[in-house]
Amino acid sequence: GEDVEQSLFLSVREGDSSVINCTYTDSSSTYLYWYKQEPGAGLQLLTYIFSNMDMKQDQRLTVLLNKKDKHLSLRIADTQTGDSAIYFCAEGAYSSASKIIFGSGTRLSIRP
Amino acid sequence: DGGITQSPKYLFRKEGQNVTLSCEQNLNHDAMYWYRQDPGQGLRLIYYSQIVNDFQKGDIAEGYSVSREKKESFPLTVTSAQKNPTAFYLCASTRSGQVNEKLFFGSGTQLSVL
Repeated sequence: GEDVEQSLFLSVREGDSSVINCTYTDSSSTYLYWYKQEPGAGLQLLTYIFSNMDMKQDQRLTVLLNKKDKHLSLRIADTQTGDSAIYFCAEGAYSSASKIIFGSGTRLSIRP
Repeated sequence: DGGITQSPKYLFRKEGQNVTLSCEQNLNHDAMYWYRQDPGQGLRLIYYSQIVNDFQKGDIAEGYSVSREKKESFPLTVTSAQKNPTAFYLCASTRSGQVNEKLFFGSGTQLSVL
């Protein structure tokens, strides 16, 4: 079946850029999402990209999509302590939101 | 402010007991969802509902039940048939259930077994 994979942990120094990577298997994916989860809380949508785009930038966030390799990345510039969270990659390939598949999440920790 | 409210934040279940998790939204959204989150795993869909009085099983519905009697409410019951219920449960909603809509999440309920 369809799958979304991410590494579980990433540690970066405060002020550096963070790059969180994700791979997915469903070539018919139309929407790819990044959600953020802070401790003990629900998920919040950070950004999303349509499958016909290569890149999307939103302030400190840059999403890159390599559709050929089915690879998605999220770059956070000038990483701050408030960016500490779990970041989930998700893909939606069909018309219903019930079919969205989430990755296992990458826990981002910030070193001083 | 509009949003999704889940209660309680922490819940303990005894052996053989059914427990119900509450989810209420005031976003006027048609579609609501229940996800289960286990450490190091992605969210897995338990049940979803796209309209009042109708709901469908997700990927891991066994041992769970839901109802959708009101648009704003989508309670989840974890039955005694669910042998491994310890997890973080998240309720979410979207405006109409389309894939291009933002999922709004509640703050979750942590269920543990005594």
